[in-house]
Amino acid sequence: GENVEQHPSTLSVQEGDSAVIKCTYSDSASNYFPWYKQELGKGPQLIIDIRSNVGEKKDQRIAVTLNKTAKHFSLHITETQPEDSAVYFCAAYLDSNYQLIWGAGTKLIIKP
Amino acid sequence: KAGVTQTPRYLIKTRGQQVTLSCSPISGHRSVSWYQQTPGQGLQFLFEYFSETQRNKGNFPGRFSGRQFSNSRSEMNVSTLELGDSALYLCASSLGVDNTGELFFGEGSRLTVL
Repeated sequence: GENVEQHPSTLSVQEGDSAVIKCTYSDSASNYFPWYKQELGKGPQLIIDIRSNVGEKKDQRIAVTLNKTAKHFSLHITETQPEDSAVYFCAAYLDSNYQLIWGAGTKLIIKP
Repeated sequence: KAGVTQTPRYLIKTRGQQVTLSCSPISGHRSVSWYQQTPGQGLQFLFEYFSETQRNKGNFPGRFSGRQFSNSRSEMNVSTLELGDSALYLCASSLGVDNTGELFFGEGSRLTVL
């Protein structure tokens, strides 16, 4: 079945620097890739997503890139701010069973 | 509009007991998914219901069950509780025709098993 690997598990960056989180999926039929942010004490919230017919998508300081050949996608956060500190989850969607497969999460720490 | 509501927010049970958790989705959403989250762990998928039918199921033992009502509200039940069932249980709703739309999560029900 589909498997999603997410790296790193913890990422610490200086405020103002960029952060990159990478995910690799196993099933080439996956066609939708969302990223969720979970702040302490809250449920995850969608921050950006990308579909397989698109290579890159941006929303202000956040961008996601998709490499279908290599079967990996990445979250890029530029000019990081303290409020970016959270756990980030990637996921891959498989049409055949309507199921989202989740990565293990990355704890992002923004150092002042 | 109102978000996803989960009740109760916190509960404490002892081993061997059973528990029922409730989730009220956003109005108009037909899909409800349940996840287990333990400290340091990711989101472990339990099951998904769409229009009162279980559409997907994760790799959890039969002690974990769920259902969805005609108004899309969902409940999950855990029987014969074990210490390892202590976790945050998250519910998410979506429009659900497929699952390429946004999932809206509740704040979770935190279960402690003593």
